[in-house]
Parts: sequence; C-alpha cells; structure tokens
Amino acid sequence: GAVVSQHPSRVICKSGTSVKIECRSLDFQATTMFWYRQFPKKSLMLMATSNEGSKATYEQGVEKDKFLINHASLTLSTLTVTSAHPEDSSFYICSARDQGTLNQPQHFGDGTRLSIL
Amino acid sequence: LAKTTQPISMDSYEGQEVNITCSHNNIATNDYITWYQQFPSQGPRFIIQGYKTKVTNEVASLFIPADRKSSTLSLPRVSLSDTAVYYCLVGLPGNQGGKLIFGQGTELSVKP
Repeated sequence: GAVVSQHPSRVICKSGTSVKIECRSLDFQATTMFWYRQFPKKSLMLMATSNEGSKATYEQGVEKDKFLINHASLTLSTLTVTSAHPEDSSFYICSARDQGTLNQPQHFGDGTRLSIL
Repeated sequence: LAKTTQPISMDSYEGQEVNITCSHNNIATNDYITWYQQFPSQGPRFIIQGYKTKVTNEVASLFIPADRKSSTLSLPRVSLSDTAVYYCLVGLPGNQGGKLIFGQGTELSVKP
C-alpha cells in the first residue's frame, strides 16, 4: 500500500538553529502534501498545504517565513523550521494522497519529534 | 469543511466489541468519511473509509446511515494493542484534492 516516509524521526538542537524535515511518498506521486503539528495530548493541527511546483498554502496563524515549505518534486516536500526556538518544539507530521488512484485516503508519515533546547 | 464530534474517551475490556460514533451534521455531498488510529509518537494510521451504508475490512467495520450525518466505527474483539486515539474525518477523496481537519478524537483505553 501507499507509504509516506518522514525524516528525521527525531531532532534535538539548540535555539536559533534551522531544521529541515523531509516527507516522501515512496510508491506514488503526490502533487499535494500536508503538514501538521501536534502538541502533547492534543489533536493534529493543519499548518499548510504543500503544492508541487507552486507556493504552499498556509493556514491562518501559521507564519510562512517561519515554516518554509518546498515541494520541488512529485514525491518530496520539505518543511524548514527557521531559527527555531523552544516554543517550536512539537511533533510534526506530513501526509500525502495518491491522487492518481480513485478515492484513495490520505496517508501519514510517522512524524518528526522536534526538541529545541 | 465538515466539523466532527466524537466522545473524548471510551473504556473497554479485551475481547469486547467497541463502537465509536462520530457526528458530522454538515457533511457535503461529495465528502467521504475516514477513520484513523494514532498511537503515541506515531503518525495516524488509516483504518477504514466509506461513503454510505456499510464498509468492512480485515480490522473494522464502518456503518453510515442514509442521511450520512453520523458514522460508527466498529472494532470487533479489541485487544490491549487497540488502545489508541481514533479520529473521524470527513472530506473529499484523494483524487479530488482537499484538506482534512482533525477533531479532538476519541481516546480508547482497552483493559485486561
């Protein structure tokens, strides 16, 4: 079945560092991918929609200059948390759909745990 | 985007059947209903998806009444490993694009 891979699974870094997270669709093409963040004991919150070959669409309240999204190919989207601070510590999850197949559900990566010291 | 409402938590015992109901009064004509399972520190895992009536796969059944304003996920004979958060979402199927908005989910606790 469709698989979405995220890398890295965990990042620990100092405040002020920029961190890049990769999301790959392994066996299908995805013109659209989605980025979520999740705080402990909370639900997933949609941050942005990543569109292949064009600008990402950000949800209200999400800073586009803080969370840079690049979707340069049909199988890869990246999220860069720029100048990360402790409040950016969270669980980041991506998802994608196999848009070439009728009525397929969205598939999620296993998430990236980001800890900013 | 349709808003979903689920019970915040449910308790069950091993071997029992668990039914989790989700309300989605504002579901649109073309929306599908999809259920996901999430374990701590993992991404959501697809369980089942349906549009109307009943859908069954190897792990669960999904019951959708004619008005589609609610749906019920049925987990037969749960085990301890089914302890997780279960999310009900409504939205367009993948080939039509669209985004999914997560509700609060239902935290299922299965006890021995």
